[in-house]
Amino acid sequence: DAGVTQSPTHLIKTRGQQVTLRCSPKSGHDTVSWYQQALGQGPQFIFQYYEEEERQRGNFPDRFSGHQFPNYSSELNVNALLLGDSALYLCASSLVGLAGNTIYFGEGSWLTVV
Amino acid sequence: AQRVTQPEKLLSVFKGAPVELKCNYSYSGSPELFWYVQYSRQRLQLLLRHISRESIKGFTADLNKGETSFHLKKPFAQEEDSAMYYCALTNSGGSNYKLTFGKGTLLTVNP
Repeated sequence: DAGVTQSPTHLIKTRGQQVTLRCSPKSGHDTVSWYQQALGQGPQFIFQYYEEEERQRGNFPDRFSGHQFPNYSSELNVNALLLGDSALYLCASSLVGLAGNTIYFGEGSWLTVV
Repeated sequence: AQRVTQPEKLLSVFKGAPVELKCNYSYSGSPELFWYVQYSRQRLQLLLRHISRESIKGFTADLNKGETSFHLKKPFAQEEDSAMYYCALTNSGGSNYKLTFGKGTLLTVNP
């Protein structure tokens, strides 16, 4: 089991551009969450997807959007990139309905906006 | 609003010394508390959760609802414990966790 996998691992974008990050959850997991981790900060919750719908959302602008596919994989899209969007983006997966389940994190995608 | 505070950004101890990483939280409800660890060049991983009441790698943490704290402790630190530690909370009883993290404490265990 490869666990949670994310791509790309690193990327550089220019202000105003758009970016798409991808995530494959751990085998058997159906829920995907995305977090933003700025340098020197803890991860901050962006949103969570289950059954291809956004279930919860953190305090992030509409420029941040996502999608979940029938195979449970997910994408995070960020439009009109700002310098402040430079961060590590983490994907986490879990299995809904399983009490006490564990959330697993991917290694993250490093986004640099120049 | 829920918040997790880790007052120490950096903590340095010698091998064999006791270590305590502090975590305080604010939450209007009944939270579930976690400690996550990130070793150098590795992904974030769960260290322990308060509902399990386990001891993992010699670490323990007790939830003190009166003081709203969930400090992580280990009686004898090892060099391999050097890592970034994050305290996190979510609402208890839910399986769709939205985790709120603290800013983390970088623990260095010196030989």
